[in-house]
Amino acid sequence: DQQVKQNSPSLSVQEGRISILNCDYTNSMFDYFLWYKKYPAEGPTFLISISSIKDKNEDGRFTVFLNKSAKHLSLHIVPSQPGDSAVYFCAASASGNTPLVFGKGTRLSVIA
Amino acid sequence: DAGVTQSPTHLIKTRGQQVTLRCSPKSGHDTVSWYQQALGQGPQFIFQYYEEEERQRGNFPDRFSGHQFPNYSSELNVNALLLGDSALYLCASSLGAPVGWGWETQYFGPGTRLLVL
Repeated sequence: DQQVKQNSPSLSVQEGRISILNCDYTNSMFDYFLWYKKYPAEGPTFLISISSIKDKNEDGRFTVFLNKSAKHLSLHIVPSQPGDSAVYFCAASASGNTPLVFGKGTRLSVIA
Repeated sequence: DAGVTQSPTHLIKTRGQQVTLRCSPKSGHDTVSWYQQALGQGPQFIFQYYEEEERQRGNFPDRFSGHQFPNYSSELNVNALLLGDSALYLCASSLGAPVGWGWETQYFGPGTRLLVL
């Protein structure tokens, strides 16, 4: 029973173009969503988050969009750079002190 | 400023054995959470320690236990190892138990890769 789903295991994008990573969730109690980036041999690092009271959050080249009615969020990276090549995890939490639930991740490869 | 450190980096055990993994939190952090990341999966929450007590627990059997020391470092113990326990074990630290936006302040260590044969 996967509550957070990242249905694309991998994505390949050319340098300078837009990368769009998708995430779906099933638990309607989730109201806080985060994206993490993970390089090999390193732990995940926090990238950007969004609360359910917003539908968009932007930080530099990274923008996260939330569609609550569709239970869908996406991470846009513009422009994509080779250093963005990593595994990206979507995670969600319900309000209060509930643990994060992670998706399986999407491996992004940015080709120069 | 040292981040979250974990030891050992790699470990090989056989079925039925017991293992202890160690974590030192980032300086200034007092809360430690442990996650299991199986191959091809995302991290899965095991439990969280704050003030030397287990505060939250995920869906893991009692074979998984932990401890937090007065200096905030933590250990994860797994008894009666199964092949399915092979995974990357991640430790994450934060200041206080993360609530809402607090998850952003959680820092992960590089993990310990455990292989059970």
